[in-house]
Amino acid sequence: DTAVSQTPKYLVTQMGNDKSIKCEQNLGHDTMYWYKQDSKKFLKIMFSYNNKELIINETVPNRFSPKSPDKAHLNLHINSLELGDSAVYFCASSSSGGETQYFGPGTRLLVL
Amino acid sequence: AQSVTQLDSQVPVFEEAPVELRCNYSSSVSVYLFWYVQYPNQGLQLLLKYLSGSTLVESINGFEAEFNKSQTSFHLRKPSVHISDTAEYFCAVKGEGFKTIFGAGTRLFVKA
Repeated sequence: DTAVSQTPKYLVTQMGNDKSIKCEQNLGHDTMYWYKQDSKKFLKIMFSYNNKELIINETVPNRFSPKSPDKAHLNLHINSLELGDSAVYFCASSSSGGETQYFGPGTRLLVL
Repeated sequence: AQSVTQLDSQVPVFEEAPVELRCNYSSSVSVYLFWYVQYPNQGLQLLLKYLSGSTLVESINGFEAEFNKSQTSFHLRKPSVHISDTAEYFCAVKGEGFKTIFGAGTRLFVKA
């Protein structure tokens, strides 16, 4: 069984479009995260939710809006996509202690 | 606040040779330390972690890391690498709260 899943795996779109990425975890964790990994493999935290409450909100353009409908799901909506948004986006989850994080397979976003 | 420095961006090594991937951190509080591995086109997976107790921690596939508080280091070592160890390795530190800080990554390339 997949622990942390993301859809879609690949996303190719035009500048200016709006897109969403979905994440689901079946580990029973109550903390979930979104990371952005750039072409140089640098991993940057974007957001984190604990029990559906936003607890980490890094310096991210407000075109990015996370939403957690329940503890098992964390979605990321991106408005007005720009070329610089091209990256791999990873979802992760952990228990409330937040020690070990479990990562999804990533969503590869390419903005043309 | 915490920070992590991985001193080598790339480490090429021949198969069956020993390897060390270096990691230094800074923090004003007690920390947890991690090494994650990312194989091509996959998400990150936990390799090993130091939470407390013995300063030498080991993974199931032969890697080990030693927490050195005086040198603020958590270097990763393996006495004999395999082709299958080729991957990106991330050192990470977590202090209080939910945020985990990842290093920039070290690309380990094992050559036959």
